[in-house]
Amino acid sequence: SQQGEEDPQALSIQEGENATMNCSYKTSINNLQWYRQNSGRGLVHLILIRSNEREKHSGRLRVTLDTSKKSSSLLITASRAADTASYFCATETSGSRLTFGEGTQLTVNP
Amino acid sequence: DGGITQSPKYLFRKEGQNVTLSCEQNLNHDAMYWYRQDPGQGLRLIYYSQIVNDFQKGDIAEGYSVSREKKESFPLTVTSAQKNPTAFYLCASSTRQGANSNQPQHFGDGTRLSIL
Repeated sequence: SQQGEEDPQALSIQEGENATMNCSYKTSINNLQWYRQNSGRGLVHLILIRSNEREKHSGRLRVTLDTSKKSSSLLITASRAADTASYFCATETSGSRLTFGEGTQLTVNP
Repeated sequence: DGGITQSPKYLFRKEGQNVTLSCEQNLNHDAMYWYRQDPGQGLRLIYYSQIVNDFQKGDIAEGYSVSREKKESFPLTVTSAQKNPTAFYLCASSTRQGANSNQPQHFGDGTRLSIL
């Protein structure tokens, strides 16, 4: 079964609104990473948060990690139409492998 | 520019045929990975290699084979034993992965494989 599970599966918002995606996982991790995938393309790394960190920012992105609840959230502020994509969380456990969730499809309407 | 190049972009396989997907990187990364992505789903790990001349099976290795003869190259062969090969295949690389490497993976733009 998947280590990471994203919620919601799909999210549709208007430009300028904030988008929040959640990720839950099952086992202890070294870090949790968020990736973006435009349709028919490869994944692009957005942000990595280590297991001893609680929050991280990068531009309009904010990621939180709660290891006690085994969950993470990705917040995209002031969304743009160009943010339309699938977003995946991935967990790295001991042994260096990444395990991906099934993704959230974000649609930002102009 | 440094990056990962996958070729071809589209590939068609006939019944009983083996096909090889190419993955080349010029990022000087030690570790390379192959993933399979089915429509509307996440990525599943097929094989990975942390160093030249060494590779390990991932979660869905059956019906696939790889080689790692050069640091820059990690080709994936989809054999006739893989009965449902239609999928989007993604190659990735990263710096040497240790127990706590905390390094992101860099991805190519994928190869879409279909059955004729």
